[in-house]
Amino acid sequence: DAKTTQPPSMDCAEGRAANLPCNHSTISGNEYVYWYRQIHSQGPQYIIHGLKNNETNEMASLIITEDRKSSTLILPHATLRDTAVYYCIVRVANRDDKIIFGKGTRLHILP
Amino acid sequence: KAGVTQTPRYLIKTRGQQVTLSCSPISGHRSVSWYQQTPGQGLQFLFEYFSETQRNKGNFPGRFSGRQFSNSRSEMNVSTLELGDSALYLCASRPEGAPLHFGNGTRLTVT
Repeated sequence: DAKTTQPPSMDCAEGRAANLPCNHSTISGNEYVYWYRQIHSQGPQYIIHGLKNNETNEMASLIITEDRKSSTLILPHATLRDTAVYYCIVRVANRDDKIIFGKGTRLHILP
Repeated sequence: KAGVTQTPRYLIKTRGQQVTLSCSPISGHRSVSWYQQTPGQGLQFLFEYFSETQRNKGNFPGRFSGRQFSNSRSEMNVSTLELGDSALYLCASRPEGAPLHFGNGTRLTVT
């Protein structure tokens, strides 16, 4: 699986959109971008994934650049409950579970 | 629908002992995987089981083992515990072709 690069931490004001970047410059053509988050003392929670088109669900939006070398997770209206570590990973869709998690981005939502 | 259930939630063991952790996947999920999470190494893949067979394995010593039962429930065992085995052990399950769903983990402390 390709590696990803994320900023170690970010701040966002409550109620504003949180934009979390991820660089995956070595992504292969059949690899998807997945986002998970981990709230303190809980297991990682799946957020969203995509291949090349932008995706949106009830939790977030995923914007993938045309060259697929980077992506941005958008939490449209951040709340204090969105404080967590966010992981961006790339892998062939559901091929196996040998996922390589990086260090992720620790998102602080400021009241 | 109940989520992935891991028991026990917390465990304290002494060096040299062995430990067994249990995971009940979401009903209908046949794939179960295990991860170790430590502050220094982050989330690391241990192994994956599907239909009672180990499908993939991470880079951990043979002291770490697992199994899956016919009802998809899984256990992992660590023998001859070392201080460095102190970690949060996470179990995840998924149906084929879908993202992982994680449990909240078992926090193991080795003294």
